Amino acid sequence: DIQMTQSPSSLSASVGDRVTITCRASQSISNYLNWYQQKPGKAPKLLIYAASTLQSGVPSRFSGGGSGTDFTLTISSLQPEDVASYSCQQSYSTPYTFGQGTKLEIK
Amino acid sequence: QITLKESGPTLVKPTQTLTLTCTFSGFSLSTSGVGVGWIRQPPGKALEWLALLYWDDDKSYRPSLNNRLTITKDTSKNQVVLTMTNMDPMDTATYYCAHRNGDVYSRNWFDYWGQGTLVTVSS
Repeated sequence: DIQMTQSPSSLSASVGDRVTITCRASQSISNYLNWYQQKPGKAPKLLIYAASTLQSGVPSRFSGGGSGTDFTLTISSLQPEDVASYSCQQSYSTPYTFGQGTKLEIK
Repeated sequence: QITLKESGPTLVKPTQTLTLTCTFSGFSLSTSGVGVGWIRQPPGKALEWLALLYWDDDKSYRPSLNNRLTITKDTSKNQVVLTMTNMDPMDTATYYCAHRNGDVYSRNWFDYWGQGTLVTVSS
């Protein structure tokens, strides 16, 4: 199985800050990488697919990058409604695997 | 508008078989390229992909659970059913079904999710 490791596990930042979350795959996955946002008690919401394509309806302050084994999710200007857990997921090979999640809070 | 909703028991006993139904609208599983997946999340833990079913009845399963999982579809009812045998307390989780989207390069992503259903395994 491909292991997905996110860092940091938790993060506290101020409104307006630029925030970056990293996801590392245990082997190269090209750009077969998706990002999800999950608020407490809710289902995950797709933010980014194919490493850098913004899902329709997602604010442009979210962006994704990377290829191979190292990927990033960036929020250009943190908003209060961005408080959530963020997870990466690889679709390069089954079993599709998710990162352990990064919990983002407002300072 | 695509929607999905999971249904099934909230409590099962160890060794029993779990049957979950995903009822969806806004798309058809007879349409080329369409798929429905199941993902679960134990309390406080990471998401875990379980299975994926495509429009052409192609299926894939999480290998570590392969002999316990079965995914089927009823196209006429717009439903996908997941069964998991020999349930254990470690299977306690919120179970989600999700619409699979993808491209010609076989990149897959889950763009619409059900609300999830919490299944507790306890005697």
